[in-house]
Amino acid sequence: GAVVSQHPSRVICKSGTSVKIECRSLDFQATTMFWYRQFPKKSLMLMATSNEGSKATYEQGVEKDKFLINHASLTLSTLTVTSAHPEDSSFYICSARGGGQGTVNAGYTFGSGTRLTVV
Amino acid sequence: QKEVEQDPGPLSVPEGAIVSLNCTYSNSAFQYFMWYRQYSRKGPELLMYTYSSGNKEDGRFTAQVDKSSKYISLFIRDSQPSDSATYLCAIGQGAQKLVFGQGTRLTINP
Repeated sequence: GAVVSQHPSRVICKSGTSVKIECRSLDFQATTMFWYRQFPKKSLMLMATSNEGSKATYEQGVEKDKFLINHASLTLSTLTVTSAHPEDSSFYICSARGGGQGTVNAGYTFGSGTRLTVV
Repeated sequence: QKEVEQDPGPLSVPEGAIVSLNCTYSNSAFQYFMWYRQYSRKGPELLMYTYSSGNKEDGRFTAQVDKSSKYISLFIRDSQPSDSATYLCAIGQGAQKLVFGQGTRLTINP
């Protein structure tokens, strides 16, 4: 089945630094990737949608200059949290969807998530 | 009104019980319906998906969709402690983004 690898699984960084999270589709080409944020005991909050080779579409209220998304290839998307602050501490999850795979169940495969702690 | 409503629970049942998880949605244009299971500090994994009204069964899991009522359900038979997790419903339309429910925390007690 479709596999999405997300790294790192946990990261602790100092306030003011930047952190990059990678999301890779291992066995399919991901034309679209989604980045979510999840607070404890809460559902997934979509941050942005990125299509390979084009700019990401951010959801309302998400700062595009703070959460930089790059989807330069069909197998890799990155989320960079710039100038991180303690309030950015959260669980970040990516999801990848492949084009031309036919059934919807082949898409929307989630990574294992990254727990970011900003101290 | 939220696009998708799901009771967050928590829901606690004894091992072996039948579990019923539900979501309601507001947009009749939604076309496909999914259930994800998420263990603590992990990404969601797809359990079930369906396109149409009716039932779909996979092992101990049954997904049910009632488009006329805009109501979807997930039933778990012979529940096991390993089923303890958060269950999220997700609903989509075409190639658009999925809309997730809040998730229901389920605990199966041995």
